[in-house]
Order: sequence, then C-alpha cells, then structure tokens
Amino acid sequence: GAGVSQSPSNKVTEKGKDVELRCDPISGHTALYWYRQRLGQGLEFLIYFQGNSAPDKSGLPSDRFSAERTGESVSTLTIQRTQQEDSAVYLCASSRTGDTEAFFGQGTRLTVV
Amino acid sequence: GQSLEQPSEVTAVEGAIVQINCTYQTSGFYGLSWYQQHDGGAPTFLSYNALDGLEETGRFSSFLSRSDSYGYLLLQELQMKDSASYFCAVRENQAGTALIFGKGTTLSVSS
Repeated sequence: GAGVSQSPSNKVTEKGKDVELRCDPISGHTALYWYRQRLGQGLEFLIYFQGNSAPDKSGLPSDRFSAERTGESVSTLTIQRTQQEDSAVYLCASSRTGDTEAFFGQGTRLTVV
Repeated sequence: GQSLEQPSEVTAVEGAIVQINCTYQTSGFYGLSWYQQHDGGAPTFLSYNALDGLEETGRFSSFLSRSDSYGYLLLQELQMKDSASYFCAVRENQAGTALIFGKGTTLSVSS
C-alpha cells in the first residue's frame, strides 16, 4: 500500500478483555516496529521485527503483551487481560533494511474502561 | 541501557530561530534521527546524521557530534505550523535493532 496502515483506528475495551491491533507495513519493508505513546508522552519501544530474524521483544512491558509477524507482511499486537494503564496510542512503523527513515501509521487509540 | 535526553518544552515566536538539543547514551551508535509529530498525528521523518557536522534541509538543520554524544535540531524562520513535538531517535546498529526515541520536545510558536 501507499503507507503504513493500522486498524482499528480507535478501540474501546473493557478491563480484562483481550485486544488485537493490526499493522500493514509498506510493501517491501523488512523492518517493523511497535511503539506505545501515552497522552503527552514520548514513544515507548515495544517490539521490533527485522526480516526473518528473531524479533527484539525487549520493550514489551509484561507477558500480557505479544506480537507476531508473518514473513515481511502484516503484524498483530495482542494485549491480554487489558488494564487501564494500557490506554494509549499504539503506533506501528516500517522501514527498509538499514534505511534511516521509518514510516509511521496513524496509530490505534486504545481506551480501556 | 539506552537514554536520550531532550528538553520537554521550548517556546518561540514566529520568524525566530530555535535549537532543540539531544544527548544520548547508547551501547552502539548508527545515527541520530529527528522526527516531527503534530497533535493527533503520526511522527514524520525530518533528518538524519550519521557523521559529525551539519545537515541542512530547507529551514531545518541537524547537527551531530559523536565525540560528545550530542546533536541538535535547528529550526529557522519559525512558522505557526512548526508547533509540534520533536523527537530525537538513535539506532544502535545498521540492522537488527529498533529506533529508540527520546521523550520529545514540545515546540510552541506564537505570533
């Protein structure tokens, strides 16, 4: 596609439910990143995929968070048993290997009530 | 661990020049990037420095000193539309590591 696509754009869920967020990177981009951004805060690194290498999961805040990526295409970020503290915008970005520029999607705004 | 420090807020008036500093501590270094994010929008790439010195792109310039682990973004001829958050970001090596972002600097431009 023309850009990084994320869905849904907004998600309201009840505390304790599981949610799945989707990211469609730019075609041909081998690197894919997930970040969390709380209101008025910076970009908190969550997980990084690079081609077929093992993902860098060092930013995942707890075992309730997991992510998958099929080859060099779609990625899903799953949050189990959501908590109110999980409320944030979840941003996905992609880039070509070694490229300096990452392209971001518009994000998924998650609200846990 | 990794850390990137930048001021939380900067204010300026239209037409002025403003400099946003970034100092970093990382185990490796493959380059310093800058991103702009307007309220409610996605971060967009502004500039990248891999080597020491100044890179100029229109009204925006970015500087890097690897020996000082320091860089800055210089915005000239400020316009109201430049009001946004600005993030510095470091990649520790060419591939295999994510971009790590600073907490961002909110720039407010007034008339």
